[in-house]
Amino acid sequence: RKEVEQDPGPFNVPEGATVAFNCTYSNSASQSFFWYRQDCRKEPKLLMSVYSSGNEDGRFTAQLNRASQYISLLIRDSKLSDSATYLCVVNPFSGAGSYQLTFGKGTKLSVIP
Amino acid sequence: DAGVIQSPRHEVTEMGQEVTLRCKPISGHDYLFWYRQTMMRGLELLIYFNNNVPIDDSGMPEDRFSAKMPNASFSTLKIQPSEPRDSAVYFCASSLSQSGVWTSYNSPLHFGNGTRLTVT
Repeated sequence: RKEVEQDPGPFNVPEGATVAFNCTYSNSASQSFFWYRQDCRKEPKLLMSVYSSGNEDGRFTAQLNRASQYISLLIRDSKLSDSATYLCVVNPFSGAGSYQLTFGKGTKLSVIP
Repeated sequence: DAGVIQSPRHEVTEMGQEVTLRCKPISGHDYLFWYRQTMMRGLELLIYFNNNVPIDDSGMPEDRFSAKMPNASFSTLKIQPSEPRDSAVYFCASSLSQSGVWTSYNSPLHFGNGTRLTVT
């Protein structure tokens, strides 16, 4: 089983739609979680961190399910500018420790006019 | 503010040639990472430095790859000799620890815009 797995997509959704991505991770000891966004031919950028209690940032909601070892990203009211690849990232550590961020291969989202 | 700067943006070279990729991290950042991204394998960590010292190079694929960080504002990744399977986008990223302690949530990565390497 791969360490971090994502549905590669593409997800093609109309503007205004709600779309959700899931990501599963194999290391049950993973402690910290993130979503990065990568535009075509650009560098990845941090979209949001994912906390145990779940968190929201505008139209974006991230949730963590430790029992099932998955994290999710929900995008409401999709905009054309949301078109990108979304990378799921996990780390066995949340406190001070060695760096072990593992990136998923990403889920591609295309928002259609 | 200047972000992470990588050069060149694109590199096309023939198999067997030496390739040197360059990175200037964000000023003041004390961690520097080299990643490689391919369609097949996604983003893979090659090596990272803390205060210019290599900490973990277990991701470097083989001895043909080497990385240096002679000072806080410059790092290189060298491939010698290059092979077609090295074709990928190579990203450099930097990060700032909090009071000398790196934690995932407090030290996000800032990526450069990458070097697209093609080895023919």
